[in-house]
Amino acid sequence: GQQVMQIPQYQHVQEGEDFTTYCNSSTTLSNIQWYKQRPGGHPVFLIQLVKSGEVKKQKRLTFQFGEAKKNSSLHITATQTTDVGTYFCAGHEAAGNKLTFGGGTRVLVKP
Amino acid sequence: DGGITQSPKYLFRKEGQNVTLSCEQNLNHDAMYWYRQDPGQGLRLIYYSQIVNDFQKGDIAEGYSVSREKKESFPLTVTSAQKNPTAFYLCASKNTRGRVDEQYFGPGTRLTVT
Repeated sequence: GQQVMQIPQYQHVQEGEDFTTYCNSSTTLSNIQWYKQRPGGHPVFLIQLVKSGEVKKQKRLTFQFGEAKKNSSLHITATQTTDVGTYFCAGHEAAGNKLTFGGGTRVLVKP
Repeated sequence: DGGITQSPKYLFRKEGQNVTLSCEQNLNHDAMYWYRQDPGQGLRLIYYSQIVNDFQKGDIAEGYSVSREKKESFPLTVTSAQKNPTAFYLCASKNTRGRVDEQYFGPGTRLTVT
């Protein structure tokens, strides 16, 4: 079955620094979504990418979908303490009705 | 105020007992989902339903059962056959007619079985 892997599993970042988390799928995706889960909370939708090579920005967050539609990345610039949480990518297969979530990247920010 | 509600927030049960987790949505969404999350891990799909009176097994359906008698409700029963039921359970819903496949999550139920 479809597998979605995320690296790194943990990311310790100094406040103000940039970092990137990566997502790789074993199969080609029709779209990929990113969610953020704050400690003790539930996942909240951030964005959906659909087109090959698509890049979308949300303030300090930049999301990219690979040309082959099998990988994606999330880049955060000038990390703030409000960025603390776990970021999940979730892939939607072309013929499927369900999302497959990656294991998440847990982000800790050092002030 | 639209959204998804799950109750209770915390649930404690003895081993060998079945337990039913509630999930209600007033978003008029057709699709609903149940996920399980273990500490430090991602979400794994248990069951999902695209329409009333129909549901499909996800990746880890063994030891669980669901029903979808109403559009608004998608309760999950954790049976005594589930070998390791202690986990955080998340319910989600989705508008199947939208351009975006965004899933809306409820606040979750933390189940502890001893």
